[in-house]
Amino acid sequence: GAVVSQHPSRVICKSGTSVKIECRSLDFQATTMFWYRQFPKKSLMLMATSNEGSKATYEQGVEKDKFLINHASLTLSTLTVTSAHPEDSSFYICSARGLAGGSNTGELFFGEGSRLTVL
Amino acid sequence: AQRVTQPEKLLSVFKGAPVELKCNYSYSGSPELFWYVQYSRQRLQLLLRHISRESIKGFTADLNKGETSFHLKKPFAQEEDSAMYYCALNRVNAGNNRKLIWGLGTSLAVNP
Repeated sequence: GAVVSQHPSRVICKSGTSVKIECRSLDFQATTMFWYRQFPKKSLMLMATSNEGSKATYEQGVEKDKFLINHASLTLSTLTVTSAHPEDSSFYICSARGLAGGSNTGELFFGEGSRLTVL
Repeated sequence: AQRVTQPEKLLSVFKGAPVELKCNYSYSGSPELFWYVQYSRQRLQLLLRHISRESIKGFTADLNKGETSFHLKKPFAQEEDSAMYYCALNRVNAGNNRKLIWGLGTSLAVNP
């Protein structure tokens, strides 16, 4: 199946700094990528939908100035957590939907996730 | 409102017992439903989708439009089935953009 890679897998930063997480589709072109936050009890929260070459669409309650999303190419989307605070500590997961196999089946391919810890 | 409900946060069964993870949905259009699974320390991955009508790892799920359900079933649970299971509904908006609506997940623990 298609592969989505996230980097870094773990990052620790000081409060007030910014952190960038990359999400790459390795063997297909991802026209749409999604960024999720997974909470300790494992519920998934969709943060935003990222379409290549256009502005991301944020879900209600997600601060677009705090979580900057860029989808500059068909294989790369980045999430930047700006001025991070301890409450931003979480597991961030990206997923991608593309034309894998030449069809839009609705299936999402997930990255391995990035654990952010803000001290 | 479009919604996916997984009523059980945790389901614990013994090895060899049947298991059913419940999923109910609310959607005005024609639903496309999926089950995703996340094993310990692994990424989320697709388990099965209703349009395929397939059995993966012994799991099946039948779409019941009358009951608006898509329950995941396996007749004999195995320890390696222990994982977090998410039910998801593919929502298509007016611009033909697709987004998955997720249930909160059910943690399945299969005990020896």
